[in-house]
Amino acid sequence: ETGVTQSPTHLIKTRGQQVTLRCSSQSGHNTVSWYQQALGQGPQFIFQYYREEENGRGNFPPRFSGLQFPNYSSELNVNALELDDSALYLCASSLHLVIGRGTGELFFGEGSRLTVL
Amino acid sequence: GQNIDQPTEMTATEGAIVQINCTYQTSGFNGLFWYQQHAGEAPTFLSYNVLDGLEEKGRFSSFLSRSKGYSYLLLKELQMKDSASYLCAARGGDNNDMRFGAGTRLTVKP
Repeated sequence: ETGVTQSPTHLIKTRGQQVTLRCSSQSGHNTVSWYQQALGQGPQFIFQYYREEENGRGNFPPRFSGLQFPNYSSELNVNALELDDSALYLCASSLHLVIGRGTGELFFGEGSRLTVL
Repeated sequence: GQNIDQPTEMTATEGAIVQINCTYQTSGFNGLFWYQQHAGEAPTFLSYNVLDGLEEKGRFSSFLSRSKGYSYLLLKELQMKDSASYLCAARGGDNNDMRFGAGTRLTVKP
């Protein structure tokens, strides 16, 4: 059973550029969630994808967008990068919660650390 | 909306017991989770509560009171390796997503 993998692990961009982060979900998981974690803070929910559609979004502007593919892998795209976008971006996969089955526990990847200069 | 509060920092002594509290507000509540996160690493799952009461898993226990919107994580026989951030998270809302608190940074001293 493979875990959640993210790429790249580290990257540096300049303000105004665009970035794409990638995530492969754990085998058998059909839901992917993306979080932004600034240093010393808790993970902030960006959005969640299920069945290739956005299924819930946190308080992030439209320049944060995503995709989920038929194999449940996912991308996070951020346009017009700002300095405050510097953070660890965490991808987590889970099973879509069905009442009475499972816990909906999230399994996290190691994250992509983005630095915007 | 969803709101989760927990203390920012706590310090405890090796071998002791520490309790980390969390209060939450969420519509359509569907579970309270605790995660451990060491510096520079991804969060790892510790515990899950959806019904009132105590769940015990080795040195770690977690308690939930749904009527009070309250949970705690209890760590017994503290070890130095328990120094980490502990994240309280609640699943719920219109899309059953998971929201996290800011985390409690626990320092275990000899």
